[in-house]
Amino acid sequence: NAGVMQNPRHLVRRRGQEARLRCSPMKGHSHVYWYRQLPEEGLKFMVYLQKENIIDESGMPKERFSAEFPKEGPSILRIQQVVRGDSAAYFCASSPAGTDEQYFGPGTRLTVT
Amino acid sequence: GENVEQHPSTLSVQEGDSAVIKCTYSDSASNYFPWYKQELGKGPQLIIDIRSNVGEKKDQRIAVTLNKTAKHFSLHITETQPEDSAVYFCAAKYSNYQLIWGAGTKLIIKP
Repeated sequence: NAGVMQNPRHLVRRRGQEARLRCSPMKGHSHVYWYRQLPEEGLKFMVYLQKENIIDESGMPKERFSAEFPKEGPSILRIQQVVRGDSAAYFCASSPAGTDEQYFGPGTRLTVT
Repeated sequence: GENVEQHPSTLSVQEGDSAVIKCTYSDSASNYFPWYKQELGKGPQLIIDIRSNVGEKKDQRIAVTLNKTAKHFSLHITETQPEDSAVYFCAAKYSNYQLIWGAGTKLIIKP
């Protein structure tokens, strides 16, 4: 059973460009969470999604950031018009319905130049 | 807001000795407390967790204790080995699904 997959692993964008981060949850997992991590800090919750539904996006900036988890395909975290402050590691986690455990992918390291 | 404090930020122990990392949380409604290990360049790996109806849980060399009254929980690693070197994070579940994370402890195992 493959783990949570994220791609790309590294992404470099110039200021003003768009960044698209993808996450494929573990097989059988219907819940996806996105977190952001700055160097030498803990992870910060951004958004929680189930298939075709955003359950909680309270940790996500209201502008430029959006997330989706379509019926088919991976979950996408989209950052429009990136700025240097968006540089961070973005982690996706997944869990089956009705459980507490969250299993993390390897992350996407976004660098904005 | 809700927060989790974690100490120490760096811990250096001799190989074979024990390591203890401590966390406190603020939300008395939290009922799930996982511990994650993160190696350089990798995602966090769930190593052990505990729920609020249990005071202690063990898995081989790793144990976690929980004191709900004091709102703190601890990770204990015995007989430390070089491969235990990593950053360890505690977390507390808030609002049914959000994990609030500590700032991390860098564990260094000296040979």
